[in-house]
Amino acid sequence: GEDVEQSLFLSVREGDSSVINCTYTDSSSTYLYWYKQEPGAGLQLLTYIFSNMDMKQDQRLTVLLNKKDKHLSLRIADTQTGDSAIYFCAERGNRDDKIIFGKGTRLHILP
Amino acid sequence: EAEVAQSPRYKITEKSQAVAFWCDPISGHATLYWYRQILGQGPELLVQFQDESVVDDSQLPKDRFSAERLKGVDSTLKIQPAELGDSAMYLCASRDRGSYNEQFFGPGTRLTVL
Repeated sequence: GEDVEQSLFLSVREGDSSVINCTYTDSSSTYLYWYKQEPGAGLQLLTYIFSNMDMKQDQRLTVLLNKKDKHLSLRIADTQTGDSAIYFCAERGNRDDKIIFGKGTRLHILP
Repeated sequence: EAEVAQSPRYKITEKSQAVAFWCDPISGHATLYWYRQILGQGPELLVQFQDESVVDDSQLPKDRFSAERLKGVDSTLKIQPAELGDSAMYLCASRDRGSYNEQFFGPGTRLTVL
């Protein structure tokens, strides 16, 4: 079945780069997403990548996709205190528009 | 900026009581989703509407949960009776017709069942 796995916690010093990793099982995934959730709030779409791409960059965010290994990563350059949140990896297959979310990675910023 | 609205933001109830959550999607968005997010987990889809019709309710516990979107605009999710295990964040999201890449999420309703 479909499954998305990601590590639960990551601590990074302010100003350093954060790299959040994710693996997924559905080889038919068409889109892969990164969502951000701040405390008490809903999810905000940060970026997405189509499955025929291997990299996408958007300002401080870089997404890398290794389709062979079904591995997705999100790199946040120059991590700021405002980046402290839970980051969800998600994937959508080509059968419907149902999105499967991982359990989220809590990013903690050290001063 | 248009947003998905949800109310109430917080709800505390006793088990066996009935609760209802309301969602108003972004104007013009034909697709509406209800998700349940248990603490420490990612959101899981409960029900998806396309206009007023249910597209997917395979994960909705139909013995106690119901959802409706009578006029294809706002939607209500009801639980009756509530159980302790229903404590979670209930998120509503909406998507524009033909735009498959972004679901816009509301702030959620946090339900605590005592």
